Amino acid sequence: DAGITQSPRHKVTETGTPVTLRCHQTENHRYMYWYRQDPGHGLRLIHYSYGVKDTDKGEVSDGYSVSRSKTEDFLLTLESATSSQTSVYFCAISESTPASGGPNTGELFFGEGSRLTVL
Amino acid sequence: AQSVTQPDIHITVSEGASLELRCNYSYGATPYLFWYVQSPGQGLQLLLKYFSGDTLVQGIKGFEAEFKRSQSSFNLRKPSVHWSDAAEYFCAVGNSGYSTLTFGKGTMLLVSP
Repeated sequence: DAGITQSPRHKVTETGTPVTLRCHQTENHRYMYWYRQDPGHGLRLIHYSYGVKDTDKGEVSDGYSVSRSKTEDFLLTLESATSSQTSVYFCAISESTPASGGPNTGELFFGEGSRLTVL
Repeated sequence: AQSVTQPDIHITVSEGASLELRCNYSYGATPYLFWYVQSPGQGLQLLLKYFSGDTLVQGIKGFEAEFKRSQSSFNLRKPSVHWSDAAEYFCAVGNSGYSTLTFGKGTMLLVSP
């Protein structure tokens, strides 16, 4: 299994409070991602990172920010949580250059998820 | 922009029966295609992937999928379903040298005795 740890795994918070989710990897992979999963919507990309301090927006980035100061850590921050951000958040990683030397297939390895409830 | 459609939200299959889950994608060039499975309360696990070569790809747990460019499809199949296959299945599309995947909304597989 890919070495991906998400914390916290469960969190309940109130509207308007800041929340930070952490993703930690031990694989030294270049790319890291945050997705959210909601019933009827599948997985939607929030933000991703292609290197230390290099990040980009995904499909549903409004209300979220990210930071990556080290290869192994990718933080997702909700500056002021809203009820619409109640969701399960998944971190994922991928290689930029597969060990086999083949093309970057974009294959993702996922963490176990963080369930966030905003009351 | 790339997109994925999984037409079936839920599918119920009898144990031992064959299974086919549908996936259609939209992408201008040769896509990279994936099927992932998610058991309740778990993260996603890769079942199989296609990015070149033989259009019929084999995956884990006895699953296979066939890439049909003319139909923009990448359907997942299994000849005999086991109760442990009950889960949610996601199709995803990416492209060469690109770094993000776009997922379908998922198909929930229920297995009846």
